[in-house]
Amino acid sequence: AQRVTQPEKLLSVFKGAPVELKCNYSYSGSPELFWYVQYSRQRLQLLLRHISRESIKGFTADLNKGETSFHLKKPFAQEEDSAMYYCALIDYSGGGADGLTFGKGTHLIIQP
Amino acid sequence: DVKVTQSSRYLVKRTGEKVFLECVQDMDHENMFWYRQDPGLGLRLIYFSYDVKMKEKGDIPEGYSVSREKKERFSLILESASTNQTSMYLCASSLGGLHNTEAFFGQGTRLTVV
Repeated sequence: AQRVTQPEKLLSVFKGAPVELKCNYSYSGSPELFWYVQYSRQRLQLLLRHISRESIKGFTADLNKGETSFHLKKPFAQEEDSAMYYCALIDYSGGGADGLTFGKGTHLIIQP
Repeated sequence: DVKVTQSSRYLVKRTGEKVFLECVQDMDHENMFWYRQDPGLGLRLIYFSYDVKMKEKGDIPEGYSVSREKKERFSLILESASTNQTSMYLCASSLGGLHNTEAFFGQGTRLTVV
């Protein structure tokens, strides 16, 4: 069974400080990892995926297979980063049709 | 832009009522999903469908059923609504296949069962 763990329900940092949102996973197949974000009053949307290896809005996430982690990082937080962040996993063994497994989410608050 | 549209933003229903939540996507996606989103529990998969008339149970299917008669439409049905089904319901779709697994979400339906 696949599982995604986000240990922090709430993370509060000051503007300009570094941010790290933790995500650990367990799986029994060939996973792909994602970070999704939901800003206030907006729909849930993809932030980044590990196979793209790209930086979106200054965020990066590196897949560490040894530690089974996919932490989301940003060197300098901005107030507009305040949102709910979900780490998610999909197992390709089902052809990608099995749906995303989400963590419980971390509410990130950036204080001015 | 992919559009996933849920028919209602807010619904209030009585215990025991039959409730239909409708979702339509306009990008010819193969896969469609229903999640419920609860504070502290994240998103949990209720049902998904990878083709017309096909459906698979997710992690929490009890008390729910689904219907997919057309590719673009995926309906979630609460046969007899109960107060513990008060939640935010999110519909999503994805193209399907390897590396086409990005999910596009609707705006959500906040259902209150009284």
